[in-house]
Amino acid sequence: DAKTTQPNSMESNEEEPVHLPCNHSTISGTDYIHWYRQLPSQGPEYVIHGLTSNVNNRMASLAIAEDRKSSTLILHRATLRDAAVYYCIPDGNKLVFGAGTILRVKS
Amino acid sequence: DGGITQSPKYLFRKEGQNVTLSCEQNLNHDAMYWYRQDPGQGLRLIYYSQIVNDFQKGDIAEGYSVSREKKESFPLTVTSAQKNPTAFYLCASSPRTELEELFFGEGSRLTVL
Repeated sequence: DAKTTQPNSMESNEEEPVHLPCNHSTISGTDYIHWYRQLPSQGPEYVIHGLTSNVNNRMASLAIAEDRKSSTLILHRATLRDAAVYYCIPDGNKLVFGAGTILRVKS
Repeated sequence: DGGITQSPKYLFRKEGQNVTLSCEQNLNHDAMYWYRQDPGQGLRLIYYSQIVNDFQKGDIAEGYSVSREKKESFPLTVTSAQKNPTAFYLCASSPRTELEELFFGEGSRLTVL
């Protein structure tokens, strides 16, 4: 399984962009990179995933490094509802959820 | 609306008792999963099933049992053999494999007194 490194926590101001980094230097060539987020006392929800190219959806953008050893989840305008734990999961098998990054959003 | 329903949301049990947590989905998904989450930690996979009448152990299966008699149902039993059963339990499903988007239930919080 690929190992991941994410900051324990990050803080952002409301309405500003947030860049959540993830290092996954041991990722295999066929592993997708998945991002999920978990609000307090709820189950995780899917945010976005990609393989090589950058990806965009209504929730966020995913920027994947050319060597695929790192990726960045981009929230274009953070809101208070974006405060959650964000998980980066570059494992194609059984989606191993590590500790993630706690994102705090200040009003 | 389609989704995953876990019940009960909160459960208290005495030490030594078996407990069964329910997970039902109406998404017509083939694959279902059970995870455990401890405070401040990530999720750890207990069991998963990719087809009816078949399931595999995850990373922490000891002290747990599951069944998959119907496509829409994947109950988890926390047995008395589980040393530290107090935790937040999450059920998820996906159309076929974990490569596809996982849909999670709202979780069941088990406290063993």
